[in-house]
Amino acid sequence: QSVLTQPPSVSGAPGQRVTISCTGSSSNIGADYDVQWYQQLPGAAPKVLIFGTTNRPSGVPDRFSGSQSGTSASLAISGLQTEDEADYYCQSYDASLSGLVFGGGTKLTVL
Amino acid sequence: QVQLVESGGGLVKPGGSLRLSCVASRFSFSEYYMSWIRLAPGRGLEWVSYITTSGSTMYYADSVKGRFTISRDNAKNSLYLEMSSLRAEDTAVYYCARYNYDILSGYWYFDYWGQGTLVTVSS
Repeated sequence: QSVLTQPPSVSGAPGQRVTISCTGSSSNIGADYDVQWYQQLPGAAPKVLIFGTTNRPSGVPDRFSGSQSGTSASLAISGLQTEDEADYYCQSYDASLSGLVFGGGTKLTVL
Repeated sequence: QVQLVESGGGLVKPGGSLRLSCVASRFSFSEYYMSWIRLAPGRGLEWVSYITTSGSTMYYADSVKGRFTISRDNAKNSLYLEMSSLRAEDTAVYYCARYNYDILSGYWYFDYWGQGTLVTVSS
């Protein structure tokens, strides 16, 4: 059981917008620890999409955006493309565990 | 482009030991924190450990504390993970990742990852 909870799967049609939630608690996201999002394409290593909850590294399209409210964070992907099919993971720090934590991952299917 | 190449994975019996290595290139290895992260079948990513630039301080997930040891050799641009008392639940692909502090924003994140090495713990 992951400390950060993500839906196992989400789906959307090309061009649509989807959001992936990441629910934590008062010892991680709710304590204002920053959230990162990683994309893992099939057979590839994970790649950072969002850091510091809302920041995109250079090279990441602005179709990807992050937000946070209370004890939850979200990754939004607009203008879905078939190449967005991947597993997505959120990551933060947990003060109770004194360590870094990941969500269980969400598989995005582009219909 | 930054390159991280892991090696040392394989099949090991429960209770056994294994040493993973990660060779870094195309960046100044000694200036960055480094980390190990694993992906177990059906269980998602799990942070395992990270080490500071000089190797003087290490941090571990509770699940591996006392059994795994992270180390680095800056002269060899190499990161290591010594794993002992291995259990079936340690079966995973182990990734080496650079743990970067972005000076402009003040945030930490894993900005480069290797391709991973598979560790299978089974009798």
